[in-house]
Amino acid sequence: DTGVSQDPRHKITKRGQNVTFRCDPISEHNRLYWYRQTLGQGPEFLTYFQNEAQLEKSRLLSDRFSAERPKGSFSTLEIQRTEQGDSAMYLCASSLASGANVLTFGAGSRLTVL
Amino acid sequence: KNQVEQSPQSLIILEGKNCTLQCNYTVSPFSNLRWYKQDTGRGPVSLTIMTFSENTKSNGRYTATLDADTKQSSLHITASQLSDSASYICVVSDTGRRALTFGSGTRLQVQP
Repeated sequence: DTGVSQDPRHKITKRGQNVTFRCDPISEHNRLYWYRQTLGQGPEFLTYFQNEAQLEKSRLLSDRFSAERPKGSFSTLEIQRTEQGDSAMYLCASSLASGANVLTFGAGSRLTVL
Repeated sequence: KNQVEQSPQSLIILEGKNCTLQCNYTVSPFSNLRWYKQDTGRGPVSLTIMTFSENTKSNGRYTATLDADTKQSSLHITASQLSDSASYICVVSDTGRRALTFGSGTRLQVQP
C-alpha cells in the first residue's frame, strides 16, 4: 500500500463544467475525509465518511458538491457547474476509526477554474 | 466556535538557526493537538500528536509543547535545514466531532 492516492493531481477546467476527483485511501482505514485548501490557508473540512456512510458535511459543501464512497473503499468528489471560486487544492485523508484519529493525507488534487 | 490561531504567519531564518512557531486554540472539549508539515504542492504530513496529559514531545529536531491550561502549543525546530522550508499547520481535535480544526499555518523559509 502506497498511502492515500488522489487523481488527477491537476485539473484545469472552464467555468460551468463538471469535475470529479477520486481518492483511494489506505486500505485498512475506514474513515475518509475531504478538505479544501486555498493558497496560504489551512485545510477546510468538507465532508467525512465512515465506511460507506457519509456522517458529516460542512456548510461549505454547497449543492453543487457531492461526495460518495459507494463500497466503503475509494471515494469521489464531484463539483458541478464549477465557479472560479472553486479553484483550490482538494485534499483527501484517511484514518482508522479507533485510536487518536491520525489522518494520513494524499498529495491533493489542484483545481483551476478559468 | 472552534478556532486555531497560528503565529507568525510567515518566518524566514538562516540555515542552522532555531525557531519557534506558536499555536493558540479555543477548541473544546479538547482531545488532542497535532502538528503537520506541508511541503508546497503536497498534502500535510503528521509530525507530532499530543494529548491533554502530555507537555512535551519530540520528533528528531522537532519539539512540540502543550499547555492545556492556557490552550497554547509551540513547535520548536532546532538546527534548521533547507528541507525544513514548508508550511507548519497546527490541528486540534475535539472529543465530539470527528473532523479537525486547522490553523492557517506558518510558512517557514530556511535560507542558506
